[in-house]
Amino acid sequence: SQQGEEDPQALSIQEGENATMNCSYKTSINNLQWYRQNSGRGLVHLILIRSNEREKHSGRLRVTLDTSKKSSSLLITASRAADTASYFCATDLNDYKLSFGAGTTVTVRA
Amino acid sequence: NAGVTQTPKFQVLKTGQSMTLQCAQDMNHNSMYWYRQDPGMGLRLIYYSASEGTTDKGEVPNGYNVSRLNKREFSLRLESAAPSQTSVYFCASSDPSRVVTEQYFGPGTRLTVT
Repeated sequence: SQQGEEDPQALSIQEGENATMNCSYKTSINNLQWYRQNSGRGLVHLILIRSNEREKHSGRLRVTLDTSKKSSSLLITASRAADTASYFCATDLNDYKLSFGAGTTVTVRA
Repeated sequence: NAGVTQTPKFQVLKTGQSMTLQCAQDMNHNSMYWYRQDPGMGLRLIYYSASEGTTDKGEVPNGYNVSRLNKREFSLRLESAAPSQTSVYFCASSDPSRVVTEQYFGPGTRLTVT
């Protein structure tokens, strides 16, 4: 069964606004990763946060991790049309495998 | 440096036909993976190969077989295709010896079984 669940399932925002999506998971993790998938393409790794980290930044991306609540959030600031994609969280259980959630579909309107 | 390549990009099969999906990576990664992606379900792991010479079942292995041909190539075979196997299939690779264990994905194979 899948470890992670993203919320919301879909999100529509205006260009320039921020987009926030959340991921909840069930068991202890080694790290949590976020991936982006543009329509019809493979997934691309965005950012990784380790279990002993609380917040991480990469360009316009900000990820938080709360291991006590078993949850993570991904914030995309100042969104652009090119940010239109599906976003997936993936938990690394330290056994070569990742467990992916069902994803959040983000639409950025011009 | 092509990363992860998959062939074919699209395939239509009739129920009961067989086919092999090919995957190759040029990043010298030890681990390779096959996933299927269905609407609203994210990615589910079919099989993986932690290193050359080893393969293991993932979450949804029934109806599939795999071969880790060498370090570069990892193929997925459907022996007798069923409509339930209509999906988009992704191959991925990673190098778990590194500190950051991100996976690199191929472009996918869109398979329809009629």
